[in-house]
Amino acid sequence: ETGVTQSPTHLIKTRGQQVTLRCSSQSGHNTVSWYQQALGQGPQFIFQYYREEENGRGNFPPRFSGLQFPNYSSELNVNALELDDSALYLCASSRGQDPGANVLTFGAGSRLTVL
Amino acid sequence: QKEVEQDPGPLSVPEGAIVSLNCTYSNSAFQYFMWYRQYSRKGPELLMYTYSSGNKEDGRFTAQVDKSSKYISLFIRDSQPSDSATYLCAMSGVDSNYQLIWGAGTKLIIKP
Repeated sequence: ETGVTQSPTHLIKTRGQQVTLRCSSQSGHNTVSWYQQALGQGPQFIFQYYREEENGRGNFPPRFSGLQFPNYSSELNVNALELDDSALYLCASSRGQDPGANVLTFGAGSRLTVL
Repeated sequence: QKEVEQDPGPLSVPEGAIVSLNCTYSNSAFQYFMWYRQYSRKGPELLMYTYSSGNKEDGRFTAQVDKSSKYISLFIRDSQPSDSATYLCAMSGVDSNYQLIWGAGTKLIIKP
């Protein structure tokens, strides 16, 4: 059983650019959520996708967008990058929508640096 | 005030000591409580999961939830240097909009 894999592991962008981060879900999982973790902080919920639809969103602006594909893999897109977007971006997959009732399995994350 | 408060540490203890990690929260609707461990440059991994109040034990780890005090704890017995990591509490409830609410994490250092 493969776990959650994320790519790329590290990347550097400049302010104003756009970035796409990718995530492959664990086998058998149909729900993907994305979190942003700033240095020294806990993860902050960006959004969740279930059956290719966004069904929950945290306090992030519309320039953060995502997709879930029929094979349950996912992308996170961030437009017009700002310096404060520098963080570790975590993808998590689970068997169901409720993160309380369904264990989240996290990937190792994509570390984004915005200069 | 944050919904979940957690002392960031670092907490440094000698090998073999009992470690106590804690979180407080403000939302009485939380009913699912988790502890995750995060090693440097890795994603969080689930250690303990508790529904509602009570205790749960798994090997050297014990999780406690006191909903009346809005306080959760993780105890680690016979701590090992390999336990050195950041420990994050996370919680969720019926009004959480499909998200986990996290503490800031406590950095734990076990000295050999």
